[in-house]
Amino acid sequence: DVKVTQSSRYLVKRTGEKVFLECVQDMDHENMFWYRQDPGLGLRLIYFSYDVKMKEKGDIPEGYSVSREKKERFSLILESASTNQTSMYLCASSLPLASGLGHNEQFFGPGTRLTVL
Amino acid sequence: AQSVTQLDSQVPVFEEAPVELRCNYSSSVSVYLFWYVQYPNQGLQLLLKYLSGSTLVKGINGFEAEFNKSQTSFHLRKPSVHISDTAEYFCAVKWNSGNTPLVFGKGTRLSVIA
Repeated sequence: DVKVTQSSRYLVKRTGEKVFLECVQDMDHENMFWYRQDPGLGLRLIYFSYDVKMKEKGDIPEGYSVSREKKERFSLILESASTNQTSMYLCASSLPLASGLGHNEQFFGPGTRLTVL
Repeated sequence: AQSVTQLDSQVPVFEEAPVELRCNYSSSVSVYLFWYVQYPNQGLQLLLKYLSGSTLVKGINGFEAEFNKSQTSFHLRKPSVHISDTAEYFCAVKWNSGNTPLVFGKGTRLSVIA
């Protein structure tokens, strides 16, 4: 089974702190994604990556950055946390385009519920 | 821009009654379609997917969905729900335009009442 793990289930930080959310997948997936989930807004894509050291902006990248130094790990960084970044953060991974139809399905981690005070 | 619409944000239903959760998407070009379920305090897990072939797709936990190309819809159905089906359900679409992420609807919260 594909496993996507996230470093924390719950996290509480103060305004202005630098926050790192870590995501690791164990199935050698090329593609990795970060979403935030808010009530009534569904899942919104923050950043994604198709390869090591590669990143692309999603729909709401402002206030966030990412790092992908190793294939299995994709980190989301909040340079200076703000209260409006209080949310559930979900990481996902998928196979690459070259794998055929199997690349479409995304596998999700359990989520990190971040509270910024 | 491509979009996915889940018409109902909340659906209450009595136990053992049938349910349909609606999903429409914006473009009729080649698509791949997914339904995910999220139980409280968990991540998303795949319920079912349509990639090609038969337009009626069966998934886990007795759910099924039908791809309707002309209506650009992919509605999720279950003939008899259980309390354990209480969860949030997300429809997602991948337009067949390369290595692009899924686009998600805003979700439908299904509440099953005893």
